[in-house]
Amino acid sequence: EAGVTQSPRYAVLQEGQAVSFWCDPISGHDTLYWYQQPRDQGPQLLVYFRDEAVIDNSQLPSDRFSAVRPKGTNSTLKIQSAKQGDTATYLCASSFRNQAPLFGEGTRLSVL
Amino acid sequence: QQKVQQSPESLSVPEGGMASLNCTSSDRNFQYFWWYRQHSGEGPKALMSIFSDGDKKEGRFTAHLNKASLHVSLHIRDSQPSDSALYFCAASEHRGFASALTFGSGTKVIPCLP
Repeated sequence: EAGVTQSPRYAVLQEGQAVSFWCDPISGHDTLYWYQQPRDQGPQLLVYFRDEAVIDNSQLPSDRFSAVRPKGTNSTLKIQSAKQGDTATYLCASSFRNQAPLFGEGTRLSVL
Repeated sequence: QQKVQQSPESLSVPEGGMASLNCTSSDRNFQYFWWYRQHSGEGPKALMSIFSDGDKKEGRFTAHLNKASLHVSLHIRDSQPSDSALYFCAASEHRGFASALTFGSGTKVIPCLP
């Protein structure tokens, strides 16, 4: 069974540039999560979806971050104008009902 | 204040020895706990869950939960070089992931020569 697939694996930007991260969850998983993990810290929830509906986006910096999951399968997280403080690994995870979320390998973002 | 707090920040464990990791929740809504392990360059992987008071054992890993104090621990016996990783405690308000997991800041386990 294929795991959660994320792309790109790495991204390097200048401040003010935009970037998009893409996530393909495990087939059949109804819930999809995006987490931000600063270096040597724990993952921090940004947003999560059940099917195509946003369940909680209260931790998403809404002025610059956006996330969509239009058909309830793949998802895209976008940063409009990146800042140095956005430097982190962005993790996507998916789950089905009460199973443990399974994580992808993440996209490591550096903002210079 | 973080809702899920872990200690210690890092831990050196002799090969073949025992590692003990601690986690406490400051939010009484968090009743369901998970342990995740993250090797360098990879995403976190679930090790085990614990939802009831007492011990739960899976292979070399034993988790213990005290719901009254919202304290959960993870013990790794017979430490191996492959145990070198970041270990995260995560908590949820609901057993069925109706809410997402909240993670602690992690404990870095560093195996060392006995």
